Amino acid sequence: AQSVTQLGSHVSVSEGALVLLRCNYSSSVPPYLFWYVQYPNQGLQLLLKYTSAATLVKGINGFEAEFKKSETSFHLTKPSAHMSDAAEYFCAVSEAQNFGNEKLTFGTGTRLTIIP
Amino acid sequence: DSGVTQTPKHLITATGQRVTLRCSPRSGDLSVYWYQQSLDQGLQFLIQYYNGEERAKGNILERFSAQQFPDLHSELNLSSLELGDSALYFCASKKDQQETQYFGPGTRLLVL
Repeated sequence: AQSVTQLGSHVSVSEGALVLLRCNYSSSVPPYLFWYVQYPNQGLQLLLKYTSAATLVKGINGFEAEFKKSETSFHLTKPSAHMSDAAEYFCAVSEAQNFGNEKLTFGTGTRLTIIP
Repeated sequence: DSGVTQTPKHLITATGQRVTLRCSPRSGDLSVYWYQQSLDQGLQFLIQYYNGEERAKGNILERFSAQQFPDLHSELNLSSLELGDSALYFCASKKDQQETQYFGPGTRLLVL
């Protein structure tokens, strides 16, 4: 079984400040990990993914995340927040190499607000 | 634009009714996934189809069913609708041997 915990349903940061969104996962097999972003009234857009290659993953819009197996974490960061980053962010896990059962299990999401 | 299309964008209906949601995957994607996003349950996996066959099931109610057609588009059928079925329904598609699911814009269902 797999699960995802996102700490903090709401996070507010000032424009230009560091963004840190937390994600911890649980998986009985090696995981694939994803961060998706959802802008208001839109679908989910992939920000970045970890698929057992480099543990530090860079994504779109200046975001990156680091896979830490010992901490079962995959936190999302961005050095300097921009107003356009305001959105809801979802961390998700799937089972690596479990072809035929690649469902995504999502966290409950973190709403990011940027303060001007 | 992910390349996944969903119709309709919005749907308003009454309790007890039946609706059909449609999804067209990206070109070449054989896998289609359906997810439900609601305020109380969050984002939940419903069902997966692969090249016309059901591959995996999640928390899908018996009142809900899906299918994938030879042209690979998929339909999610929701029947005997209840107020609690009001949600955003997403479709996602994926290519073989790749990890990323690409999501459509969703269908927002409101049951009155």
